[in-house]
Amino acid sequence: GESVGLHLPTLSVQEGDNSIINCAYSNSASDYFIWYKQESGKGPQFIIDIRSNMDKRQGQRVTVLLNKTVKHLSLQIAATQPGDSAVYFCAESPSARQLTFGSGTQLTVLP
Amino acid sequence: SAVISQKPSRDICQRGTSLTIQCQVDSQVTMMFWYRQQPGQSLTLIATANQGSEATYESGFVIDKFPISRPNLTFSTLTVSNMSPEDSSIYLCSVEGETQYFGPGTRLLVL
Repeated sequence: GESVGLHLPTLSVQEGDNSIINCAYSNSASDYFIWYKQESGKGPQFIIDIRSNMDKRQGQRVTVLLNKTVKHLSLQIAATQPGDSAVYFCAESPSARQLTFGSGTQLTVLP
Repeated sequence: SAVISQKPSRDICQRGTSLTIQCQVDSQVTMMFWYRQQPGQSLTLIATANQGSEATYESGFVIDKFPISRPNLTFSTLTVSNMSPEDSSIYLCSVEGETQYFGPGTRLLVL
């Protein structure tokens, strides 16, 4: 079946550096993509989303890039802070409804 | 964004018993979703709950095991029936808005 996967299960970065978290998806019908952050003991928190008619979208310290040709999604976090330490999930959907989640990347920010 | 609460936040249950999880949202929403997150894993959609109709279950999930109620536009319940240790997971509800927002989750341990 269709699936969404992440290239790197763990990522460690120095505080202040930029982080890049990658995600591959296989459903070519996907129209909507979301990045979530999940801290320990909490539910997923929306970070940023992008629709398939866009290649790039920027938020506060975060940028999502979408490459539909190779079905690849990435999340860039600028000037990574200790509070960014969490598990990051990508999710995809033909709409904003039934989401298919990737396996997650644990981001650790080193002092 | 919607504010979503879940009760209980966590529970420890004996095998063979059932637990009903409540999800309350602070605004009226058409679609609510229930997800399962097994230990150390990603989220998997259990079912979609629309007010006034039967829930729609994903492959691998059945109504007898996970009955869902959706009595109004701000509330839903998920029951985990005849529990076994394999049901130990985080159960999350989410709602559709500008994007999909998640509640804090219910952490269930079945002994």
